[in-house]
Amino acid sequence: EVQLVESGGGLVQPGGSLRVSCAASGFNVRSNYVSWVRQAPGKGLDWVSVIFSGGSTYYADSVKGRFTISRDTSKNTVYLQMNNLRAEDTAVYFCARDIYDTAYGYWGQGTLVTVS
Amino acid sequence: DIQMTQSPSSLSASVGDSVTITCRASQNVGSFFNWYQQKPGKAPTLLIYSAATLLSGVPSRFSGSGYGTEFSLTITSLQPEDFATYYCQQSYSTPYTFGPGTKLEI
Repeated sequence: EVQLVESGGGLVQPGGSLRVSCAASGFNVRSNYVSWVRQAPGKGLDWVSVIFSGGSTYYADSVKGRFTISRDTSKNTVYLQMNNLRAEDTAVYFCARDIYDTAYGYWGQGTLVTVS
Repeated sequence: DIQMTQSPSSLSASVGDSVTITCRASQNVGSFFNWYQQKPGKAPTLLIYSAATLLSGVPSRFSGSGYGTEFSLTITSLQPEDFATYYCQQSYSTPYTFGPGTKLEI
């Protein structure tokens, strides 16, 4: 069974850094693409970043240069390193895995990041 | 980047009604298009992928159609558990943008 479990959220001051993790089970993080999607309180879904099976990475313009997505295949975990955090980065951060290379068929429960 | 617009932003309906939500992409995304449902405090769940393919286990009262830039999600015979927020998303090119959402209320 595919499972994604996020952790690492918390309260951080503006300009600070935080790393959130997405521990995967039931599949190998090298075999699918995994993304981070965030949702600010009371707002819609906001795509943040993706790491593809081949290792290439892409970012939303709003986080480019500040956030870095990576993976550790030995731990089967995907990370999002967030630097120079801003108040507008406050959100629940979900990790999600694709199905059929086309849609997010699996989601974690989310981890809350508060920048204040 | 591809921009997504959804209409309506909110919708009131009753159990047993049929509703349609539409989504427009700012450029051609072919059939790289998906629909999600989200309930308060929960992660989104995938309903339809590739514009019109129902995910296994999703009730057949949900259906999707469209290609290119215009897409729609139809829910027939609304059930109490269908009242939620619905998001469209393109997976044609990064960033894989979402629409702003449609809140379906009783």
